[in-house]
Amino acid sequence: AQSVTQLGSHVSVSEGALVLLRCNYSSSVPPYLFWYVQYPNQGLQLLLKYTTGATLVKGINGFEAEFKKSETSFHLTKPSAHMSDAAEYFCAVTSSGGTSYGKLTFGQGTILTVHP
Amino acid sequence: DADVTQTPRNRITKTGKRIMLECSQTKGHDRMYWYRQDPGLGLRLIYYSFDVKDINKGEISDGYSVSRQAQAKFSLSLESAIPNQTALYFCATKWRETQYFGPGTRLLVL
Repeated sequence: AQSVTQLGSHVSVSEGALVLLRCNYSSSVPPYLFWYVQYPNQGLQLLLKYTTGATLVKGINGFEAEFKKSETSFHLTKPSAHMSDAAEYFCAVTSSGGTSYGKLTFGQGTILTVHP
Repeated sequence: DADVTQTPRNRITKTGKRIMLECSQTKGHDRMYWYRQDPGLGLRLIYYSFDVKDINKGEISDGYSVSRQAQAKFSLSLESAIPNQTALYFCATKWRETQYFGPGTRLLVL
């Protein structure tokens, strides 16, 4: 079984401030982890993913996330927020197991608001 | 050009009507998925398909059916729509570990 918890359904930051969106997961097998972004009236766009290897992964638009197995976390960060970062962000987990049907379990989503 | 397309993008229907949401992809991926998104609940899996002959129920399949007409096409039907099926519906394809989403269909059932 797998699950994802995103801490904070709404996060508000000032332009230029650090963005930190929290994600904790649970998985009985080594996970693959993802962050997706959804801009208003658009579909989900992949920001970044962790599969194996380096635990700090970099994505598009200056975002990065660090896989911490001991903390079962995969928090998303960006050093300096931009107005265009305002969107809803989803953390998701899938199993790395060979028999997995690719079920992607999503968190509830975090709406990021960026103030001028 | 979009790799995963969904039609229609918006739909309003009435309780009891049958409707079909369509998904097409040009990515050449075998695996396709249908999800619904509700505020505060994230995305939940309705059906998934590994290929044309392999279709499986997801976690919330009641009230829905699907058809995989070809590798590139995967349709979702609501046989008799009800108001609590009002949601945003996404189709996705999968290659290796990553899923690629369409733009979504916003459905309102009155």
